[in-house]
Amino acid sequence: AQKVTQAQTEISVVEKEDVTLDCVYETRDTTYYLFWYKQPPSGELVFLIRRNSFDEQNEISGRYSWNFQKSTSSFNFTITASQVVDSAVYFCALSEISGNTGKLIFGQGTTLQVKP
Amino acid sequence: DAGVIQSPRHEVTEMGQEVTLRCKPISGHNSLFWYRQTMMRGLELLIYFNNNVPIDDSGMPEDRFSAKMPNASFSTLKIQPSEPRDSAVYFCASSVTGSTEEYFGPGTRLTVT
Repeated sequence: AQKVTQAQTEISVVEKEDVTLDCVYETRDTTYYLFWYKQPPSGELVFLIRRNSFDEQNEISGRYSWNFQKSTSSFNFTITASQVVDSAVYFCALSEISGNTGKLIFGQGTTLQVKP
Repeated sequence: DAGVIQSPRHEVTEMGQEVTLRCKPISGHNSLFWYRQTMMRGLELLIYFNNNVPIDDSGMPEDRFSAKMPNASFSTLKIQPSEPRDSAVYFCASSVTGSTEEYFGPGTRLTVT
């Protein structure tokens, strides 16, 4: 069975601190995609990144970086020098590739609060 | 491109009433997904269509829920009769089959009193 676990329910940091959001996944597929989405207070789901299971290279995009480790089935997300606008719920998700269905299995989400 | 369009954005209805949520996927996308978000269960897939055909409706909670996709540019999710526990945000998403990049609509916030 496929499963995504975000053990951190809520995280609170002060602006300019670095923060890492954890994501652990389970799948029997050898080929899959991992995602991070952001859900700000306005409610929409904003796509942040997609990672292919064959590509374990870490990725950096501005203040955001992602660490994918197949050996530990983890896909962690780090925000460097956090800002108040980063306050949101962040979801990690897994997508099976077999059957080309594309359906997403989401973790429970981590609520990040960045205080000024 | 307008993105995925959902209507209404907010719906408040009384228990027992029929509710219809609507979704227009991105033009050219042939996979469409309905998700529900609640505090208790998080984001869960209800049903998805490929080329207008329902492929997996195992996430549909019960017979009160039904979804249709009469053509490539329109889908509905209907709840009849609605119950207070159906209160949630319902998201529609679309993608191109074979691509796992899903584009989400803004969601419909449903409140059943």
